[in-house]
Formats: sequence, structure tokens, C-alpha cells
Amino acid sequence: DTAVSQTPKYLVTQMGNDKSIKCEQNLGHDTMYWYKQDSKKFLKIMFSYNNKELIINETVPNRFSPKSPDKAHLNLHINSLELGDSAVYFCASSLPGQGSEQYFGPGTRLTVT
Amino acid sequence: DAKTTQPNSMESNEEEPVHLPCNHSTISGTDYIHWYRQLPSQGPEYVIHGLTSNVNNRMASLAIAEDRKSSTLILHRATLRDAAVYYCILRSSGTYKYIFGTGTRLKVLA
Repeated sequence: DTAVSQTPKYLVTQMGNDKSIKCEQNLGHDTMYWYKQDSKKFLKIMFSYNNKELIINETVPNRFSPKSPDKAHLNLHINSLELGDSAVYFCASSLPGQGSEQYFGPGTRLTVT
Repeated sequence: DAKTTQPNSMESNEEEPVHLPCNHSTISGTDYIHWYRQLPSQGPEYVIHGLTSNVNNRMASLAIAEDRKSSTLILHRATLRDAAVYYCILRSSGTYKYIFGTGTRLKVLA
């Protein structure tokens, strides 16, 4: 059973379009995250939700909007896509607490043309 | 947020031990030290974490300096499957954030 899954795995779209990436975890975790990994491989946190409540919102354009319909799901919607949004987006989940490990999904490679 | 410093890359021969260093001179007393690795075309995966004492698990060992300003991830016998980017991360009390640095790219030679 996949612990953290993301769909789609690949997403190719044109500038100006709106797209969504879905994430689901079956680990019973309370906390979920979205990370962005750019072409230089820097991995940066974007958002985190704990029990469906937004707890981390890094300096991310407001074209990006996370939505957590329930504890097991955290979706990422992106409006008016730009070339610079091209990256791999990773979803992750964890239990609360500093010693908790994060479980990452396989990533969604977004290419904006 | 406390920062970590790691070498950009390291090489190891297969079946030999590997010591991956990490400096975190600004670590605070309540920061946990986490290590993750990212295999090619995959998401990061947890390796090990610790606070003050050395830690062992089935994947690796974590040696933490007495002053906690540095730590070393030890892979006891490197295999080709261990070729990855290894990230040393500090996680602060009261935050859910991981701040990933640039990591160390480990190359394992057959």
C-alpha cells in the first residue's frame, strides 16, 4: 500500500492555465506538507496543514492555494501558471512532534510551456 | 532558523563505510537533527534522527558531537543503492518546518 500518493505524476500545461495536484496519505497522520523542488534541486517548504488547519504558509505567490478537505488529503491548486512554476512538487505527511519523520510522496513534475 | 553546512559531494567504494559530516554551529538546545536522503527521481526518505545521544537503526548510525555543533551520518557498508543526496536538517521546537539545505551527493563506486 502506498503511504503518500500524488496525482498526477506528470503535468504539462501552458502558461496561464489553472491546474491542481492531489495528495492523499493513508498513514493516519495529522500533518501534511507541500514542498517545491526547482531545477537546481533546492527543496523548499510551501505549506503545511495540521488537522485541516493551515500552520505554515511560506512566501508563496497567492496563485498557489492549498486545500485540505480532510486530514488524509491536501491538494494544491495553482492559478495562472507561469514558466517559473515548473518544478517537482512533493507532498509529505507526519505525526506532530519534532522527532517525527516525514513521509514523502513520489512527486509531481509540473512543466509549464 | 538554524542552518546546516554539508560538503557538496562525496565518493565511497562499495561495501566500505561512509561518514557524511554536517556542521550546525548555531543549533539550539531543543533542535532535533534529522537526516533524509533523496534517491534519483524519488521523494526524500527518512534515514535517522537524534537529539543528543548517538543513534542506530537498520539504515545507518548518527554520531552527534558532545557540543552538538556537528554530526555525522554513518553508512556502515555502502551499496550502489545508497547513491543519493543526503540532507542534514535541524527541526526546531514549536515548528513543523524542515529547512532543507543543499545536501551531500554521495557517489558509490563499484
